Amino acid sequence: DAGVIQSPRHEVTEMGQEVTLRCKPISGHDYLFWYRQTMMRGLELLIYFNNNVPIDDSGMPEDRFSAKMPNASFSTLKIQPSEPRDSAVYFCASSARLAGVRNEQFFGPGTRLTVL
Amino acid sequence: AQSVSQHNHHVILSEAASLELGCNYSYGGTVNLFWYVQYPGQHLQLLLKYFSGDPLVKGIKGFEAEFIKSKFSFNLRKPSVQWSDTAEYFCAVIPSGGYQKVTFGTGTKLQVIP
Repeated sequence: DAGVIQSPRHEVTEMGQEVTLRCKPISGHDYLFWYRQTMMRGLELLIYFNNNVPIDDSGMPEDRFSAKMPNASFSTLKIQPSEPRDSAVYFCASSARLAGVRNEQFFGPGTRLTVL
Repeated sequence: AQSVSQHNHHVILSEAASLELGCNYSYGGTVNLFWYVQYPGQHLQLLLKYFSGDPLVKGIKGFEAEFIKSKFSFNLRKPSVQWSDTAEYFCAVIPSGGYQKVTFGTGTKLQVIP
């Protein structure tokens, strides 16, 4: 398996533009997570899905952020409009429930977002 | 809701020194515990995990962790660190069962000096 795939790996955009980050989880995994990592705030869970359904979006910073999972193999995180304080590395991770226990999370390589 | 504390934010060690990174969690029920490592410029990777059974868990690259239920702790150890262990280490907790989400600690940056 190729692991969790994220695109793009790097994104540089100007303030006010729409940004869409993409994630393909590991096949067969039923949980998908979006994280943001910055020097100031560390690793933050933004939202997670189970079987394509958003379970907890309490970490989404504000209405400018939205996430969707239209099917089991694809998710997007959208920021509209983007602001310089959104600059961070965004990680997607997936996991599977194994024998009734939710197993470890597998992380993608991340998208480094820079908003000018 | 659960929380995770990693008290050491930045640790500097010389090669061959022993390592112990603290992790304490707060949650009243049964939990699953993880340590992840993030090498510079890379994504998080699993070092080891504890679900049940022997509280002393061995992971990759010579790391181990001990779950002490009475202390709500899951400290990470390595008897002799190498320069290549320079990375950030994250402890994580997931309550067993249900949808409850994973909670990561704030991370500990380890710098190993040759």
